Amino acid sequence: AQSVTQLDSHVSVSEGTPVLLRCNYSSSYSPSLFWYVQHPNKGLQLLLKYTSAATLVKGINGFEAEFKKSETSFHLTKPSAHMSDAAEYFCVVRRYNFNKFYFGSGTKLNVKP
Amino acid sequence: GAVVSQHPSRVICKSGTSVKIECRSLDFQATTMFWYRQFPKKSLMLMATSNEGSKATYEQGVEKDKFLINHASLTLSTLTVTSAHPEDSSFYICSARLAGRFYNEQFFGPGTRLTVL
Repeated sequence: AQSVTQLDSHVSVSEGTPVLLRCNYSSSYSPSLFWYVQHPNKGLQLLLKYTSAATLVKGINGFEAEFKKSETSFHLTKPSAHMSDAAEYFCVVRRYNFNKFYFGSGTKLNVKP
Repeated sequence: GAVVSQHPSRVICKSGTSVKIECRSLDFQATTMFWYRQFPKKSLMLMATSNEGSKATYEQGVEKDKFLINHASLTLSTLTVTSAHPEDSSFYICSARLAGRFYNEQFFGPGTRLTVL
């Protein structure tokens, strides 16, 4: 079975400080992992994805994530938060060779000026 | 490129009526579209997988007679909530996979907020 756990429902950081959004997954098979961002009244936007290539994945807007198989984690990081990063972030797992996406519960990122 | 639209963005209806939500891929063809439901402060839950020209595949626990899905063309899938009740109020999001593309690509629509009175 596949599942995703986002450890924090809310994260609050100051502008210019690092961002860490945590995600742990369980998958019986080699998973593909994704991070999506959802701004209010906007569609989900893909930030980055891991598909069994390099374990450190760089995405858009300065975000990156590292796939750690031993820890079953795929945490999202950014060195310096920007006000425009305030949004809801979803970690997603897809079982290899299947269409289905399994979403984590989401982490709401608040960026303080 | 790879834009998915949904219509309407918001709908309010009376209990017992039916509501149709459209999902369109604007600049690409999508053999497969997906319908998700998002409860307040909750994650997205896959409701069904819609394949062009064939019957939708529903997830366990989703009533196929209540949530009718039609995928009549490579750019349009519709979700009809039949005999809507207040508990059907939710945020419905569709996504589309590019025809011929690898399984990893899914592009999401902006969602439709349904409120049943």
